[in-house]
Amino acid sequence: QVQLVQSEAEVKKPGSSVKVSCKASGGTFSSYTFSWVRQAPGQGLEWMGRITPIDDISNYSQKFKGRITLSADKSTRTVSMELSSLTSEDTAVYYCARESGTHYADDYWGQGTLVTVTS
Amino acid sequence: DIQMTQSPSSLSASVGDRVTITCRASQSISNYLNWYQQKPGKAPKLLIHSASSLQSGVPSRFSGSGSGTDFTLTISSLQPEDFATYYCQQSYNTRTFGQGTKVEIK
Repeated sequence: QVQLVQSEAEVKKPGSSVKVSCKASGGTFSSYTFSWVRQAPGQGLEWMGRITPIDDISNYSQKFKGRITLSADKSTRTVSMELSSLTSEDTAVYYCARESGTHYADDYWGQGTLVTVTS
Repeated sequence: DIQMTQSPSSLSASVGDRVTITCRASQSISNYLNWYQQKPGKAPKLLIHSASSLQSGVPSRFSGSGSGTDFTLTISSLQPEDFATYYCQQSYNTRTFGQGTKVEIK
């Protein structure tokens, strides 16, 4: 079955960048779309962007444009999210999710990666 | 960006109650509306896609309805495992989540 396994928690300094990875197993990889969603402590879900590995087409939330880069490595079945110019407001759990191939919803999710931004 | 507004932001209910959560889009999104359930410390779980289609494996006490701008998630008889936070998400144009509805024990 499909599993998304994310990289370990990170602690970063303000102004730096973080890269979170998400390795997919089971099923095909390239033809699906993967999204990134974050959740600040005690807050709701916030959609950040999505990428389709087969053509590397990505789109981003306006809020993160210029600061976020999504990438996909078909050889390792891994999608990654890099966020730059970090501030304390970027402290959150970051999730990757795979969109169903038949409807526009995310039916598989990673376990989440906590990114803490602190001086 | 399309804005999604959920109501209420929280509610208290008892086991066996019928619970309704609403979600309104800032523009028409046809039926491109999904519902997720999230429990503390866990990733969200897809319950309903395409406004009214039950995701495989989800109990039939969950149902969704609506189209255009107004949508509803209904739990027909609340069970102990249903106490969680519920989010709507539009998938018409990129993605946006509602702010969430926390369902608590009365």
